[in-house]
Amino acid sequence: TQLLEQSPQFLSIQEGENLTVYCNSSSVFSSLQWYRQEPGEGPVLLVTVVTGGEVKKLKRLTFQFGDARKDSSLHITAAQTGDTGLYLCAGVVGSRLTFGEGTQLTVNP
Amino acid sequence: NAGVTQTPKFRVLKTGQSMTLLCAQDMNHEYMYWYRQDPGMGLRLIHYSVGEGTTAKGEVPDGYNVSRLKKQNFLLGLESAAPSQTSVYFCASSYITSGGNEQFFGPGTRLTVL
Repeated sequence: TQLLEQSPQFLSIQEGENLTVYCNSSSVFSSLQWYRQEPGEGPVLLVTVVTGGEVKKLKRLTFQFGDARKDSSLHITAAQTGDTGLYLCAGVVGSRLTFGEGTQLTVNP
Repeated sequence: NAGVTQTPKFRVLKTGQSMTLLCAQDMNHEYMYWYRQDPGMGLRLIHYSVGEGTTAKGEVPDGYNVSRLKKQNFLLGLESAAPSQTSVYFCASSYITSGGNEQFFGPGTRLTVL
């Protein structure tokens, strides 16, 4: 079983602060995805990173895939209250995804 | 397009009762999945299907059965519900490209087993 560990599990910050969420595994994945989930809804894909060392930016969100394709990070600059939600990383192997436990982010006004 | 829909949204069962959760997608996706989500455990794969008429076990298949008789539908059955199956169940569908496996999720079914 391939495991993905996310840290921290919970994060509560003030609006305007920066934060980083980590996703680590001992397994290699063909690609890695980040999803965001709001209460009462299913996860929604934010980004897929495919190449080792790849960096992708989505407005104030920066995603990085580790060189060995075993880990990833999500950095949010100047967090806003609208960033509040559950962030999930998922490792892709073929037709299956393995999800991390998630990071519950709360951005306070 | 409705995307991925799930029926019902909520259900309360007594231990030993059976039920079927229905997932439907209108995106012509080949792949469909059933997950359960429990606090602090992320999403765990129960069963999945890579095409009409095919099913495969995921990470936590015990106590569940599935069927994919039509491409657009994926059914999850609980033959004899147990309190440990209290969870939120999500269905997803996807197509696979060279860029990865983007999964589209339904809104979830919240199941309580008493």
